[in-house]
Amino acid sequence: EVELVESGGGLVQPGGSLRLSCATSGFTFSDHYMDWVRQAPGKGLEWVARSRDKARRYTTEYAASVKGRFTISRDDSKTSLYLQMNSLKSEDTAVYYCARVADYSYHFDYWGQGTLVTVSS
Amino acid sequence: DIQMTQSPSSLSASVGDRVTITCRASQDISTSLGWFQQKPGKAPQSLIYGASSLQSGVPSKFSGSGSGTDFTLTISSLQPEDFATYYCQQYKSFPLTFGGGTKVEIK
Repeated sequence: EVELVESGGGLVQPGGSLRLSCATSGFTFSDHYMDWVRQAPGKGLEWVARSRDKARRYTTEYAASVKGRFTISRDDSKTSLYLQMNSLKSEDTAVYYCARVADYSYHFDYWGQGTLVTVSS
Repeated sequence: DIQMTQSPSSLSASVGDRVTITCRASQDISTSLGWFQQKPGKAPQSLIYGASSLQSGVPSKFSGSGSGTDFTLTISSLQPEDFATYYCQQYKSFPLTFGGGTKVEIK
């Protein structure tokens, strides 16, 4: 069974940093692109970042709103995905989901349960 | 960026109703479109990918159609567990973008 479990969320002051983790199991992690998607309270879904697999040299993509502040990374040996968030702003307050990209298409086929990040003084 | 516009933003329907939600892309995305269902406090769940392919394990009452810029999600006979918010999403190009969501409520 595919499982994605996020952790690392919490309350952080504006300008601060936080590192999110997404532990996975039930599939061959190294074969899949992985993404972060967020949802501000009461709002819709916003794509944040992508990490491609080793075959694509672990290349990454970012939303303009986080580029230069957030860094997505992965550790295939630990089957885990990460999101390092620096220079946090109040508008980064959201539930952050990790999502698996299907290897037969490029859609999100599995999502974690999310972790809440609150940026506030 | 490709803008995804869903309509309606909300709708009220009764159990047993046939419901259709539309999604329009600001440019041609071929069939690089997915649909998701999200219930309050829960993660989104994949329903449809490739505009019309049913995600494994999803009941056949859900169907998708369209290509290019215009897409639809249809629920053939609404059941109590289907009351939720539905999102479309394009994965043709970066940045990946979602529609604003359609909240399906009980009439």
